[in-house]
Amino acid sequence: DAGVTQSPTHLIKTRGQQVTLRCSPKSGHDTVSWYQQALGQGPQFIFQYYEEEERQRGNFPDRFSGHQFPNYSSELNVNALLLGDSALYLCASSLALGYDEQYFGPGTRLTVT
Amino acid sequence: GENVEQHPSTLSVQEGDSAVIKCTYSDSASNYFPWYKQELGKGPQLIIDIRSNVGEKKDQRIAVTLNKTAKHFSLHITETQPEDSAVYFCAAPSGYSTLTFGKGTMLLVSP
Repeated sequence: DAGVTQSPTHLIKTRGQQVTLRCSPKSGHDTVSWYQQALGQGPQFIFQYYEEEERQRGNFPDRFSGHQFPNYSSELNVNALLLGDSALYLCASSLALGYDEQYFGPGTRLTVT
Repeated sequence: GENVEQHPSTLSVQEGDSAVIKCTYSDSASNYFPWYKQELGKGPQLIIDIRSNVGEKKDQRIAVTLNKTAKHFSLHITETQPEDSAVYFCAAPSGYSTLTFGKGTMLLVSP
């Protein structure tokens, strides 16, 4: 049973650039949420996708956008990167919208220089 | 929205001792409380959770207790082992299938 997978593992970008991170949910799951985890902090909710639509959004600027594909995989895009965007980006999947249990992937470590 | 406070931020114990991590939440409507373990370089792993219709849940050496009146819940680890060393996060729901996390507790178990 495949768990949540994310790519790439690590990424280094320069201020002002754009980045795309990818996530495949756990087998059988159709809801994907993205979280940002700054060093020494707990994960913070960015947004959630279900049925290829953004369903909920946390307190993040619209530089953060996403997409969900028909196979339930998802992308997180960040435009105009700032130094403060350096963090571990985590993808979590749940069985369906409204199911509480969330399972996390290993994350993508983004460094902005 | 939901606010989750977690204490302590660091906890050092000797192997074989018990460890307790405590969290409080603000939204009295919250009804699901998971705990995650995050090892260095890895994503958070769900280790145990509890729903508001029970006061305690156990799984081998770990247990979670919930006091809805006081709006707090705790993680108890007995007979700690060095492999229990990690950062532990509590969380509470902040929407459909979304979570608000505490700031984490770094647990260090010394042999």
